[in-house]
Amino acid sequence: QSALTQPASVSGSPGQSITISCTGTASDIGAFNYVSWYQQHPGKAPQLIIFDVSNRPSGISDRFSGSKSGTTASLTISGLRAEDESDYYCTSFAHNPPRREFGGGTKLTVL
Amino acid sequence: QVQLVESGGGVVQPGGSLRLSCVASGFTFGNFGMHWVRQAPGKGLEWVAFLQYDANDRAYADSVRGRFTISRDNSENTLFLEMNSLRGDDTAVYFCAKEQKGNNDGSGSHFAWDCWGQGALVSVSS
Repeated sequence: QSALTQPASVSGSPGQSITISCTGTASDIGAFNYVSWYQQHPGKAPQLIIFDVSNRPSGISDRFSGSKSGTTASLTISGLRAEDESDYYCTSFAHNPPRREFGGGTKLTVL
Repeated sequence: QVQLVESGGGVVQPGGSLRLSCVASGFTFGNFGMHWVRQAPGKGLEWVAFLQYDANDRAYADSVRGRFTISRDNSENTLFLEMNSLRGDDTAVYFCAKEQKGNNDGSGSHFAWDCWGQGALVSVSS
């Protein structure tokens, strides 16, 4: 049972936009702007795509964007491409005790 | 380039011990907090442990606290994870990960990981 809740799967057609939600509590997402998102292709290490809710690391496409409202963070991918098909994970800092929490992951299928 | 390489994985019996290493290169290792994250076969990511850049602060997931110990040797650019009393549910690929923001950096976040190793497989089985 993951601390953060993500949908198990989402899908979209090339060119469309999709949004993946990540729901936490007042102790994690609701308390801090320390949500990050990772893309993980099968058999590979995760790659950072969004940090601190809505910031993109250098080299990450602006088709990826992040936001937060209350205890729910969201990752939006616009202009879907075949190469976006992957697993996506959210993570957040939480306190008492200090720790990092992950969502269970969302499998994105590009139809 | 920035690189992390794990080693030390393998097969171990329940109740046994194993020590993972993660050698860093391409950045000033001693300036960055480091973490271990694991992934059981076919499952999602699970945060395991954190160690501050100077080893003065550390944190563990409830599932490993008291059994696992994270440490580092900044002179050797190496992060360690000592795992004792291993159980079947510890079976996973273990990744080391570098915090995006360093001790003396102005950009990035301490709460994101911008470099990951390729992972080391730990299999706990009799």
